[in-house]
Amino acid sequence: TQLLEQSPQFLSIQEGENLTVYCNSSSVFSSLQWYRQEPGEGPVLLVTVVTGGEVKKLKRLTFQFGDARKDSSLHITAAQPGDTGLYLCAGGEYNFNKFYFGSGTKLNVKP
Amino acid sequence: KAGVTQTPRYLIKTRGQQVTLSCSPISGHRSVSWYQQTPGQGLQFLFEYFSETQRNKGNFPGRFSGRQFSNSRSEMNVSTLELGDSALYLCASSLGPGQEMYEQYFGPGTRLTVT
Repeated sequence: TQLLEQSPQFLSIQEGENLTVYCNSSSVFSSLQWYRQEPGEGPVLLVTVVTGGEVKKLKRLTFQFGDARKDSSLHITAAQPGDTGLYLCAGGEYNFNKFYFGSGTKLNVKP
Repeated sequence: KAGVTQTPRYLIKTRGQQVTLSCSPISGHRSVSWYQQTPGQGLQFLFEYFSETQRNKGNFPGRFSGRQFSNSRSEMNVSTLELGDSALYLCASSLGPGQEMYEQYFGPGTRLTVT
């Protein structure tokens, strides 16, 4: 079983639409990261959240860490074809230097 | 600052052969982790090295091994290759344990194809 569950697994939307991707766990994490990966390349770190309830914005992307530090969401406003890719969340336990990855959300934004 | 580099980027091997992949972490990073990524299984953790010591290990057979050198560079080795070992192998570097803003930075990966 996956420690981090992401939903939805696949998402195909039109350019200009909004979307939200969820990352849920029953475990508490020291920090949570979101990555975007394009085919054949390594994941690129988008953001790290460490405080329960924290909200971070990166242009049209809004990231939120749950109050209990067990879940997170990624919201994209007015999606563009350049947002297409695999979005991965990862929870970190810094004392043990361990990372747990979600299964990913494959996003396709059609022009 | 240069990012994580992995060599080679692409590799084609035959079943039964062995392969060595190399990873150079970001300067100053002392922890290196290796992952296997396949369409069916997603990102699977192989092992993690810090200060030349393996600290964590995933659930992979003993054919998969690794090491880290004093300059933090790391190599992973897969012996007796099987068709199912075809995957994108990713290396990620981080500062190391005990860092509050614990973040991993990935290299571009090595695409291994076993025929």
